[in-house]
Amino acid sequence: AQTVTQSQPEMSVQEAETVTLSCTYDTSESDYYLFWYKQPPSRQMILVIRQEAYKQQNATENRFSVNFQKAAKSFSLKISDSQLGDAAMYFCAYRAPTISGGGADGLTFGKGTHLIIQP
Amino acid sequence: DTAVSQTPKYLVTQMGNDKSIKCEQNLGHDTMYWYKQDSKKFLKIMFSYNNKELIINETVPNRFSPKSPDKAHLNLHINSLELGDSAVYFCASSRGNMNTEAFFGQGTRLTVV
Repeated sequence: AQTVTQSQPEMSVQEAETVTLSCTYDTSESDYYLFWYKQPPSRQMILVIRQEAYKQQNATENRFSVNFQKAAKSFSLKISDSQLGDAAMYFCAYRAPTISGGGADGLTFGKGTHLIIQP
Repeated sequence: DTAVSQTPKYLVTQMGNDKSIKCEQNLGHDTMYWYKQDSKKFLKIMFSYNNKELIINETVPNRFSPKSPDKAHLNLHINSLELGDSAVYFCASSRGNMNTEAFFGQGTRLTVV
């Protein structure tokens, strides 16, 4: 079974600084997808960024970027120019391929990192 | 228009009761899910439905039963509620392709007293 590990239960960063959240995963698959979700106090799960395993280029979405190291099974999230609105729980998630090629097997989540932004 | 909507947002009930949580998505997705988030914020998948067929049934007690009347709805029925069922339950949906993310509802906080 796939596992996702987030080794940092909590991180703190000064506003406008850069922070990196770590994620490692375990899989025997060669093709899969990885995601970072944000959960603010409102409880809503919001997609931050996604990465396809077959793509070597790291995904970027504005101030959010990933460092995807497939051989090391590492998928870290970098947040640049941190803002107060970035304060939330961040979850790393893995999605495995299915026999049919569809995605009906859901996401495997890490335990989350609580990100605190200090003004 | 809310893409994935759950009702109710909060549910407080006594042990032993039976309750349901409803979920509807208007995204035209063909796969829907139920996830459970425990008190430590850990999210774990419970069920998924693809074209009205149950694809996953993890080690969830059979007191929990998903019901999908059509592709846009996936309701969660819970019988004989226990204290340990207290959690936040999230409904989600996605297209069948693996490369698409799941869209989540706002969650239902269930408290069993």
